[in-house]
Amino acid sequence: AQSVTQPDIHITVSEGASLELRCNYSYGATPYLFWYVQSPGQGLQLLLKYFSGDTLVQGIKGFEAEFKRSQSSFNLRKPSVHWSDAAEYFCAVHSGNTPLVFGKGTRLSVIA
Amino acid sequence: DTAVSQTPKYLVTQMGNDKSIKCEQNLGHDTMYWYKQDSKKFLKIMFSYNNKELIINETVPNRFSPKSPDKAHLNLHINSLELGDSAVYFCASSPHRELYGYTFGSGTRLTVV
Repeated sequence: AQSVTQPDIHITVSEGASLELRCNYSYGATPYLFWYVQSPGQGLQLLLKYFSGDTLVQGIKGFEAEFKRSQSSFNLRKPSVHWSDAAEYFCAVHSGNTPLVFGKGTRLSVIA
Repeated sequence: DTAVSQTPKYLVTQMGNDKSIKCEQNLGHDTMYWYKQDSKKFLKIMFSYNNKELIINETVPNRFSPKSPDKAHLNLHINSLELGDSAVYFCASSPHRELYGYTFGSGTRLTVV
């Protein structure tokens, strides 16, 4: 069965610093990979997705992610974090007829 | 013009009661879902409907019964509520080809006291 691991439960970065959130997946073939963001008290918003092709994908709000098959990873990055980026971030994987399977999330705190 | 709307946003009720959460999407999507988010923020699929037909029913107590009167609506009815049912419940929808990610509602925070 497919699974997603987000090794970092909580990350704190300074405003303006770069960010990388880690995601590893377990699946035999090439999965469909997603990153979602959840602001406090809100639903989940899709940041970006990967299906095939270019392994570096661009998303909304200045985020990007890179698919690395050899490492079974799909890490999320942002070059300069803004205070409004503080939220919970979820990596998710899906394939075929199975529903989205989410990682346990990484909480991002941003300090001045 | 909300894409996926859930009502109510907050629901506080006593143990043993029966309650319903409604979900509607105006995106023309074929598939709808219910996810449960526990206190540790973990999201777990509960049900999935495609064109009013149940296609996924995870290990969920049969006190939970989804109903889809048409492909734009997926309601969740919960009987005999228990303390452990307290969580945030998210409705989502996606096109038939699930390549585009899911669109989520803003969630219903259920508190059982």
